Amino acid sequence: NAGVMQNPRHLVRRRGQEARLRCSPMKGHSHVYWYRQLPEEGLKFMVYLQKENIIDESGMPKERFSAEFPKEGPSILRIQQVVRGDSAAYFCASSPGGDYGYTFGSGTRLTVV
Amino acid sequence: GQQLNQSPQSMFIQEGEDVSMNCTSSSIFNTWLWYKQDPGEGPVLLIALYKAGELTSNGRLTAQFGITRKDSFLNISASIPSDVGIYFCAGQRGSQGNLIFGKGTKLSVKP
Repeated sequence: NAGVMQNPRHLVRRRGQEARLRCSPMKGHSHVYWYRQLPEEGLKFMVYLQKENIIDESGMPKERFSAEFPKEGPSILRIQQVVRGDSAAYFCASSPGGDYGYTFGSGTRLTVV
Repeated sequence: GQQLNQSPQSMFIQEGEDVSMNCTSSSIFNTWLWYKQDPGEGPVLLIALYKAGELTSNGRLTAQFGITRKDSFLNISASIPSDVGIYFCAGQRGSQGNLIFGKGTKLSVKP
């Protein structure tokens, strides 16, 4: 998974705190996707962004979750007022667009205590 | 929401054996992808299939895109210990859209 950098790798938050997850796509990639994975489950799509635009947020919970991909800097997935059910692995993927596959990062494991 | 049915859920095999797993869907996909995920890591793309009926190989791995565009299988020949991991199928409708993942097949290989 070299190239798509996610940080932090592990994040512990108390209930009610905010979690900020960062994703730097591969060089030259302008498309970013966020997925969530619960234990023993496949990945579930959350949001698809291009620079400064949200293209598809159909998988994002309506409240507390937001995502951005600014002109400069990494993409950020923000979870406000975290609850225990937000504990999961969050993966970012990037692509150059067109008919090319994604490359996934190594994920951020969020634990809410 | 849309789901892919992936089977089997888990497999315990002897080193050297062949492995087969498959995915089915109630909807049509334009692209089928197979990923492998190691513990603590993100999925790594193994094979991508873009045409109905397409059969593609990558070393000991072979995958096919079903003619109906609603299913795909992955075969691994002559398994080795490093094949251990979780294998996921994923379907994609457009070239840039989101992926829909199966729940995974956990493969264990006994030396």
